[in-house]
Amino acid sequence: DAGITQSPRHKVTETGTPVTLRCHQTENHRYMYWYRQDPGHGLRLIHYSYGVKDTDKGEVSDGYSVSRSKTEDFLLTLESATSSQTSVYFCAISEATSGGGKNIQYFGAGTRLSVL
Amino acid sequence: GESVGLHLPTLSVQEGDNSIINCAYSNSASDYFIWYKQESGKGPQFIIDIRSNMDKRQGQRVTVLLNKTVKHLSLQIAATQPGDSAVYFCAENRKSYIPTFGRGTSLIVHP
Repeated sequence: DAGITQSPRHKVTETGTPVTLRCHQTENHRYMYWYRQDPGHGLRLIHYSYGVKDTDKGEVSDGYSVSRSKTEDFLLTLESATSSQTSVYFCAISEATSGGGKNIQYFGAGTRLSVL
Repeated sequence: GESVGLHLPTLSVQEGDNSIINCAYSNSASDYFIWYKQESGKGPQFIIDIRSNMDKRQGQRVTVLLNKTVKHLSLQIAATQPGDSAVYFCAENRKSYIPTFGRGTSLIVHP
């Protein structure tokens, strides 16, 4: 998976508990992304990062926060998990080129999260 | 849990046939397009890309066609094999680092 490790791979938690998912890359790519994937919705962007401590919201960011203190790590936190956040979460990285253009994303294997 | 392939358009083909998967994109300003393949239980994987200054690009057993006039992208897979069974996504980029993904098409290959 192109030097991307997501942990944990599976997580079951209870409503109201905090959850942190980790994405670690060994490619030194500038851009990192968190997506959720649900049946019938495809991939939806939660948050992304364009550098250390530089992050921005995606289309479904409510209830999620992120942090990137090092190039290689991008953390996704659910402060108080809800059942609607049951999903498969994917991290992706991209080298991208300045001004847009080629932007191939490489995805991790995913984290399956169940909130009971 | 539910498979990501549920609720998606489905294309069923016989092994050895050619497959054509279609994608309509939304923005005429998009200038770069990618096809991804997602096998069950795995993350999406890059297959092939094409820039807007091209109409066609070929890879190994795959060809991407771009019709900018009608904002349509297609992925052709030659001699489809059971290992090609997966969900296929197109993605469009508009000079940004945030691609827009299509919902995907589930390809089922029957031996």
